[in-house]
Amino acid sequence: AQKVTQAQTEISVVEKEDVTLDCVYETRDTTYYLFWYKQPPSGELVFLIRRNSFDEQNEISGRYSWNFQKSTSSFNFTITASQVVDSAVYFCALSEASGSGNTGKLIFGQGTTLQVKP
Amino acid sequence: GAGVSQSPRYKVAKRGQDVALRCDPISGHVSLFWYQQALGQGPEFLTYFQNEAQLDKSGLPSDRFFAERPEGSVSTLKIQRTQQEDSAVYLCASSPRANTGELFFGEGSRLTVL
Repeated sequence: AQKVTQAQTEISVVEKEDVTLDCVYETRDTTYYLFWYKQPPSGELVFLIRRNSFDEQNEISGRYSWNFQKSTSSFNFTITASQVVDSAVYFCALSEASGSGNTGKLIFGQGTTLQVKP
Repeated sequence: GAGVSQSPRYKVAKRGQDVALRCDPISGHVSLFWYQQALGQGPEFLTYFQNEAQLDKSGLPSDRFFAERPEGSVSTLKIQRTQQEDSAVYLCASSPRANTGELFFGEGSRLTVL
């Protein structure tokens, strides 16, 4: 069965601190996709990144970076120099791959609430 | 509007009532998903449409839940004889292409069953 675990329920940091959100996943598939979504107080989830299981290269986008390690089944997300606007719930998700990509059906973790204080 | 629109944003129903939740996806988006999000939890998949075809309804919790997308655009999630455990936020998401996982979500419809 597929499963995503985000062990950190809540994290609180002070602005400008770096923060890492952990994500561990389980799947029997050899081909799969991993995602991070952000859910601000307004409620709508916002897509941040997608990785496929064959690409373990780390990715950086501005203050955001992602570390994918297949050996430990982890896909961690780091925010550098956090800002108050980063306060939100962050979800890690997994989807299986079909012959034409992936089905789009996402298995979400329980989320990590990040509070960045000024 | 430019985003996924859901209505109503808030719905209070008495136990046993039927409810209908509407989703207007982004124009031209092929894929449409419904997810259920309980308080403090991650979203859980309910059902998936590709155009008007419902390709996966494995997440619908019971036969009281029904979804349709008759013309491949607007979708409605209907819950019959609501129960207290149906209380949750129902999220709709759409995607311009099939099978990418990169979804555009609406703000959700919060259902409270008394």
